[in-house]
Amino acid sequence: AQSVTQLDSHVSVSEGTPVLLRCNYSSSYSPSLFWYVQHPNKGLQLLLKYTSAATLVKGINGFEAEFKKSETSFHLTKPSAHMSDAAEYFCVVRRLKDDKIIFGKGTRLHILP
Amino acid sequence: EAQVTQNPRYLITVTGKKLTVTCSQNMNHEYMSWYRQDPGLGLRQIYYSMNVEVTDKGDVPEGYKVSRKEKRNFPLILESPSPNQTSLYFCASSFSGGSVETQYFGPGTRLLVL
Repeated sequence: AQSVTQLDSHVSVSEGTPVLLRCNYSSSYSPSLFWYVQHPNKGLQLLLKYTSAATLVKGINGFEAEFKKSETSFHLTKPSAHMSDAAEYFCVVRRLKDDKIIFGKGTRLHILP
Repeated sequence: EAQVTQNPRYLITVTGKKLTVTCSQNMNHEYMSWYRQDPGLGLRQIYYSMNVEVTDKGDVPEGYKVSRKEKRNFPLILESPSPNQTSLYFCASSFSGGSVETQYFGPGTRLLVL
């Protein structure tokens, strides 16, 4: 069965330092993977998606994620955190056979001044 | 403008009083879905629909009903709401058919059941 596991429920980083949000997936075949962000009291916004064309995926707001099949990971990174990055981030896998979408439990990113 | 709309955005109701949350999309998407979001649990799928008159249960369908009579609309019905259905609800839509396509999310409906 396909699933995603977000390894940290909360991550705190200082402004200007790198961000790493971890996500591992399980899938019996090549998955479709996404990262979404949800700012406080806002809806969900797509950050980036893995299309199998390239293992390093660049998204909006300076975020990127690398698909590593050997590690079954799709971690989200950003070189330098900004205060506006404080939000909850969801790793998502999409099952191709029936388009079922499975969300991770979310990681709340806190940015320290 | 391509969008998914939900109504109402906020709702306070009492146990047992039937309610409907509407969802509409203007992108001619085949696939539509309802999720509920609860702290620490992420988003869990309630029901989804792969096309008109085709609906299927998600992970947490108990206490909910849906219908898909038209492509653009996918209402969520709570026949007899209970306090454990207090949550934030999101509707989403996308093209389907196996392509890597993103879901477009509505703005959310915050429901409080007293």
